[in-house]
Amino acid sequence: AQSVAQPEDQVNVAEGNPLTVKCTYSVSGNPYLFWYVQYPNRGLQFLLKYITGDNLVKGSYGFEAEFNKSQTSFHLKKPSALVSDSALYFCAVKSRGNTGKLIFGQGTTLQVKP
Amino acid sequence: DGGITQSPKYLFRKEGQNVTLSCEQNLNHDAMYWYRQDPGQGLRLIYYSQIVNDFQKGDIAEGYSVSREKKESFPLTVTSAQKNPTAFYLCASSITTPRWDSQETQYFGPGTRLLVL
Repeated sequence: AQSVAQPEDQVNVAEGNPLTVKCTYSVSGNPYLFWYVQYPNRGLQFLLKYITGDNLVKGSYGFEAEFNKSQTSFHLKKPSALVSDSALYFCAVKSRGNTGKLIFGQGTTLQVKP
Repeated sequence: DGGITQSPKYLFRKEGQNVTLSCEQNLNHDAMYWYRQDPGQGLRLIYYSQIVNDFQKGDIAEGYSVSREKKESFPLTVTSAQKNPTAFYLCASSITTPRWDSQETQYFGPGTRLLVL
């Protein structure tokens, strides 16, 4: 069965420090991988996606993610966290040949403290 | 939230009542999706539609129904058969291509919060 795991319910970092939000997946073949962010009572905003090629993907608001095929991971990173980055982050995966269906992780709350 | 609108923002349902959530997009996207979000569970797919007049069940379709009569509209009805409807409902859309390995990004609306009276 296909699945996505975000092992941390919450990540706490101090403003200015680097942040990492973890994601691992179990999908057959080479998947497409996505990160979304959600602010309270809002829809999801697309941050970045991995399709193929360079394992380091750069996205919106200074975020980037590293695809690691051997570890089946797609961790979200940012070199210097802002208080405004505090939100709920979702990792999602889509297997090739499966049109439309995204599988989401359960989400990780990022708390950035001043 | 782009060109996807959902209404209403909050919706209250009485026991035994059917309610309909609206989703409209002006992005000229072919595919549209409905997800349900519960705390700590991520998003689960209810229904999706790749083209007008066609739709497929997702993982949790029981107690829900949809229609896709127009490209820009994909309303979701929460029927009285859905015994636990309280959740945040998110609509999304994406461009699709004829290729089988669709990689297109899904873009989300602002959501509707459904509460039971």
